[in-house]
Amino acid sequence: AQSVAQPEDQVNVAEGNPLTVKCTYSVSGNPYLFWYVQYPNRGLQFLLKYITGDNLVKGSYGFEAEFNKSQTSFHLKKPSALVSDSALYFCAVRDGPSSGSARQLTFGSGTQLTVLP
Amino acid sequence: DVKVTQSSRYLVKRTGEKVFLECVQDMDHENMFWYRQDPGLGLRLIYFSYDVKMKEKGDIPEGYSVSREKKERFSLILESASTNQTSMYLCATLAYKWSNYGYTFGSGTRLTVV
Repeated sequence: AQSVAQPEDQVNVAEGNPLTVKCTYSVSGNPYLFWYVQYPNRGLQFLLKYITGDNLVKGSYGFEAEFNKSQTSFHLKKPSALVSDSALYFCAVRDGPSSGSARQLTFGSGTQLTVLP
Repeated sequence: DVKVTQSSRYLVKRTGEKVFLECVQDMDHENMFWYRQDPGLGLRLIYFSYDVKMKEKGDIPEGYSVSREKKERFSLILESASTNQTSMYLCATLAYKWSNYGYTFGSGTRLTVV
């Protein structure tokens, strides 16, 4: 079975400071990993993904994430936070072709990011 | 760009009503999913479909059914709505099983059952 943990319900950071939103996962094979962002009363918007290749993945709006296989983590980062980054962030995982047959994504519980001016 | 359209943004229904939530996609994607989102619980999968007339249960199918008569349309049905089904419902699509392009989500339907 696949699972995702986002250990922090809330992250607060000052504008201009670096931000990190944490995510750890569990799958039986090689993971497909995703980050999504949700603004109030809206659907989920894709930020970035890791399928294979470089462990550092760059995505939309200046976000990046680092895949760490030994720590089973996929933390979301940004060097300099903006007030407009304030939103709800979801990490998601699915098993890759080497082991799993599941099509569905499993999501973490979400982390509310607040960037303070 | 793939468009995933959910027919209603906000819906208010009475307890016991039969409720239909519609999702339509315009890019011939094989797979379609219904999730519900609740604070602190993230997104939980209700049902998904990988082909016309095919469906599989997700993690929380109780109280729900689905219909996929055409490839582009995936309907979620609440047979007899209850207050604990008040939630945000999100539809998503995936082009094919091992697509690298990920999932595309609709804007969501916020359902309130009174």
